[in-house]
Amino acid sequence: KNEVEQSPQNLTAQEGEFITINCSYSVGISALHWLQQHPGGGIVSLFMLSSGKKKHGRLIATINIQEKHSSLHITASHPRDSAVYICAGVDSGGGADGLTFGKGTHLIIQP
Amino acid sequence: DAGVIQSPRHEVTEMGQEVTLRCKPISGHNSLFWYRQTMMRGLELLIYFNNNVPIDDSGMPEDRFSAKMPNASFSTLKIQPSEPRDSAVYFCASSFGGSDEQYFGPGTRLTVT
Repeated sequence: KNEVEQSPQNLTAQEGEFITINCSYSVGISALHWLQQHPGGGIVSLFMLSSGKKKHGRLIATINIQEKHSSLHITASHPRDSAVYICAGVDSGGGADGLTFGKGTHLIIQP
Repeated sequence: DAGVIQSPRHEVTEMGQEVTLRCKPISGHNSLFWYRQTMMRGLELLIYFNNNVPIDDSGMPEDRFSAKMPNASFSTLKIQPSEPRDSAVYFCASSFGGSDEQYFGPGTRLTVT
């Protein structure tokens, strides 16, 4: 059974700080999604990556396949970044696969 | 595009009643996923379809749960009979290609009393 572990579970930081959220995953996972769940409950896909690094605005996601580890970074954090960030693994079996979710990181950015 | 559409957004029902949740995926997407989110267990995959065919329903908790996708633009998740422990937020997501980026609907918050 695939597993995804995130850390930290909760993170509170001051506006402007550099934020890092980590995700480790098991052997059976070939790619990772990073999702953002807003306080209202909606889920938005931020990135999907299977190698290297992706950047979108102040968000950067990296993945190290050998170490089975991914990180989500937020530069110049802002209170509107406050949300739950979830990493989710894609099964390496191929075809249409659902996701295995981490438990999420609850991020609060204080002004 | 309107994105993934789910209805109803909120459902409150009594134990024993039948509940039907609906999802319209993004046009052109050929994979559809049903997820459930609870405080205790987080997000869990219930079932996914590829080209309207159920591929993996191993996440469906019990026989009380059933899902259908009669065509490429509509899917239902039915709970019969409902129980209080089914209370959760149910998300539908779709993607183009099984392992492509998934787009989530707004969710249906189900409360069974």
